[in-house]
Amino acid sequence: DTAVSQTPKYLVTQMGNDKSIKCEQNLGHDTMYWYKQDSKKFLKIMFSYNNKELIINETVPNRFSPKSPDKAHLNLHINSLELGDSAVYFCASRARTGQGGGYTFGSGTRLTVV
Amino acid sequence: QQQVKQSPQSLIVQKGGISIINCAYENTAFDYFPWYQQFPGKGPALLIAIRPDVSEKKEGRFTISFNKSAKQFSLHIMDSQPGDSATYFCAVTGGGNKLTFGTGTQLKVEL
Repeated sequence: DTAVSQTPKYLVTQMGNDKSIKCEQNLGHDTMYWYKQDSKKFLKIMFSYNNKELIINETVPNRFSPKSPDKAHLNLHINSLELGDSAVYFCASRARTGQGGGYTFGSGTRLTVV
Repeated sequence: QQQVKQSPQSLIVQKGGISIINCAYENTAFDYFPWYQQFPGKGPALLIAIRPDVSEKKEGRFTISFNKSAKQFSLHIMDSQPGDSATYFCAVTGGGNKLTFGTGTQLKVEL
């Protein structure tokens, strides 16, 4: 069973479109994250949710809107896609906030905006 | 600002050799120092981690050395194998919520 699963794995779309990426974790973790990995492989946190509540919102454009319908799911919706949004987006989860411990990452969604 | 500086950017090691990757951090509030391994097309996976109250942690061929006063920590891979070829990221966290990554090191182990 996949611990953190993301769909789709690949997403190619035109500038200006709106798209969503879905993430689900079956680990029973309380906290979920979205990370962006750019073309230079730099990983940067975008958002964090704890039990459906937003707790971290880095300086991400308003075109990016996360949604957590329950603590096992964290989706990412992106409006008006731009060329610079092309990247690999990783969903991750961790057992409990305030507890040092391993994050479990999904396999990523490679978004290409043309 | 880059809170975690990682070097080198890329590294080529012969099979059986020792791979060493270094990281330096600025914020003394960080309390957890993991290393992640990423293969192409996959997400980062936790390799080994250390807390600031110990100076070294070893798991199999992987060792973290931690120098609190210098605010540096490093990953040593002993007897490096071709299967170790991947991108390695150091990371830090403090206050528990936010994992901040270094810039990554692309390791290639040659036969």
